[in-house]
Amino acid sequence: AQRVTQPEKLLSVFKGAPVELKCNYSYSGSPELFWYVQYSRQRLQLLLRHISRESIKGFTADLNKGETSFHLKKPFAQEEDSAMYYCALNRDDKIIFGKGTRLHILP
Amino acid sequence: NAGVTQTPKFQVLKTGQSMTLQCAQDMNHEYMSWYRQDPGMGLRLIHYSVGAGITDQGEVPNGYNVSRSTTEDFPLRLLSAAPSQTSVYFCASRAGYSPLHFGNGTRLTVT
Repeated sequence: AQRVTQPEKLLSVFKGAPVELKCNYSYSGSPELFWYVQYSRQRLQLLLRHISRESIKGFTADLNKGETSFHLKKPFAQEEDSAMYYCALNRDDKIIFGKGTRLHILP
Repeated sequence: NAGVTQTPKFQVLKTGQSMTLQCAQDMNHEYMSWYRQDPGMGLRLIHYSVGAGITDQGEVPNGYNVSRSTTEDFPLRLLSAAPSQTSVYFCASRAGYSPLHFGNGTRLTVT
């Protein structure tokens, strides 16, 4: 069963517009959630984790336990944000990823 | 520090052949894992290990074996390659509650 859901395969956003990448999870315990990013021809790297509550490259993500969501947001998209974004959940040492959303920033 | 090193970078196999994908990390991380990345499927966990001598199955373990005889190394063995195993394979490690550190990946084609 899918435990991390990223409903959008592709999201196209104009430069300067707000960005929201959706992530929903299913887990009955205390979740440990992450956002990873993969730029073209590079390895996956951590973007955010929910416990740090910090902003990286202008991105933020808030854990909403009631809605079981961990959506990734940025107020103003930049062209260098074009990449593949993965939401991930640590379920009892199994770190499970969603199917990913490709973010395409239009000029 | 080299971080997480995967070899080879590319490999072509014929159906039925076996091979081992190597993964080594020099960060003294206890946790290591293998994923496969396929278009439209994201990353799927194959096997993981929480320490030397301990391994466990992930989401898609069939057709793959792992062992963890040292903290540094976590090889992934394909017993009898099949075209369905054509994929990009990523090894990752972490210490405690730190984020996963990924290798550069191995692109495997099975014909």
